Amino acid sequence: EAQVTQNPRYLITVTGKKLTVTCSQNMNHEYMSWYRQDPGLGLRQIYYSMNVEVTDKGDVPEGYKVSRKEKRNFPLILESPSPNQTSLYFCASSLSGGPDTQYFGPGTRLTVL
Amino acid sequence: DAKTTQPTSMDCAEGRAANLPCNHSTISGNEYVYWYRQIHSQGPQYIIHGLKNNETNEMASLIITEDRKSSTLILPHATLRDTAVYYCIVRVGLGGSGGSNYKLTFGKGTLLTVNP
Repeated sequence: EAQVTQNPRYLITVTGKKLTVTCSQNMNHEYMSWYRQDPGLGLRQIYYSMNVEVTDKGDVPEGYKVSRKEKRNFPLILESPSPNQTSLYFCASSLSGGPDTQYFGPGTRLTVL
Repeated sequence: DAKTTQPTSMDCAEGRAANLPCNHSTISGNEYVYWYRQIHSQGPQYIIHGLKNNETNEMASLIITEDRKSSTLILPHATLRDTAVYYCIVRVGLGGSGGSNYKLTFGKGTLLTVNP
């Protein structure tokens, strides 16, 4: 089944403790992206990647890192999480960055205490 | 960037057609209109997209006005499982390293409630 998977789905952590949220897609998509969703602010893009080893900042990249060593994986790294990074995170992928549909993962609900 | 305007909420009776409007008066000639929906806290789900012509797929129909300044998403026979926030998005292309970032800019969307 074609899908985007994220792990973990739920995470409660403390300020400053490094964490990684994994994202994987099995559709051989070139384009991958991370969004966060907050009440009243909607979904905002954090980082995106046009292909392996090509990443760039979205609208709200501060406090986040990403890497794209393989086509299928696009982990989101929070090196020193803070409470303002408490949010619902979505990974998305599409065949290219052009007018293709984007497929979203199920989401990761992160709470930073 | 072209922006979209949607009603905050709409109601629809189960089995009836749901017609969700969207205004995008500043849309450019090469920008597509996309519709996604999000069922409570799940990942957004693609519904349909179009450029100029009306489009239909197994989920919905998309009607785009001739001047492309507005569109309507039609769910022909709404069910309770269609209750969701529906987002009308105009595709943006931005310059970035290695190519363009065709990110999706989500607004507030329309909360469609399908009632029994």
